[in-house]
Amino acid sequence: GAGVSQSPSNKVTEKGKDVELRCDPISGHTALYWYRQSLGQGLEFLIYFQGNSAPDKSGLPSDRFSAERTGGSVSTLTIQRTQQEDSAVYLCASNIGGGLLNNEQFFGPGTRLTVL
Amino acid sequence: GNSVTQMEGPVTLSEEAFLTINCTYTATGYPSLFWYVQYPGEGLQLLLKATKADDKGSNKGFEATYRKETTSFHLEKGSVQVSDSAVYFCALSRSTGANSKLTFGKGITLSVRP
Repeated sequence: GAGVSQSPSNKVTEKGKDVELRCDPISGHTALYWYRQSLGQGLEFLIYFQGNSAPDKSGLPSDRFSAERTGGSVSTLTIQRTQQEDSAVYLCASNIGGGLLNNEQFFGPGTRLTVL
Repeated sequence: GNSVTQMEGPVTLSEEAFLTINCTYTATGYPSLFWYVQYPGEGLQLLLKATKADDKGSNKGFEATYRKETTSFHLEKGSVQVSDSAVYFCALSRSTGANSKLTFGKGITLSVRP
């Protein structure tokens, strides 16, 4: 079994452009999380998906950020009109979910986003 | 809200030295506590965890005890190796519901020299 995969591994974009980041969770994992790792803020939670339930979007920093998860598997994080402060490593994690408390999250390698 | 505070870094030690990395937390309810590690060029991975007060998590010679009275989860290792050089993150998650989103500390870089 493959682990969590993310693409692209690196993305350089110009300020004002939109970007899409992709996450493929571990097969069978119903819970999926996005986090952001930046120099100034450390590791921050962004959004959580669990099955068909409404996502927890409480960590999204602005309405320029959105995410979706199609078919309960692959997820895309979209950042519109990127700003330089969006530069960070975006991490995806998944776990078994389904009400099992505090089970281990498995992290992907991340996408390093640089906004020029 | 929930928060995690880690000691300031970076930390540089000689091989076989004793390691302590302090971590304290603020949380409602009874969170679970974790240490994650990020080795150079690798993704974040779980090092150890504890889910209730007085539990001790251990792995690869590292230990941490969940201390509710001091709201702490300090990481210790008796004899560090060069291969332990990495960034270490303390984290907590809520103890209720299926959403186990993590709240992380800022991380601390450990360098172990031969």
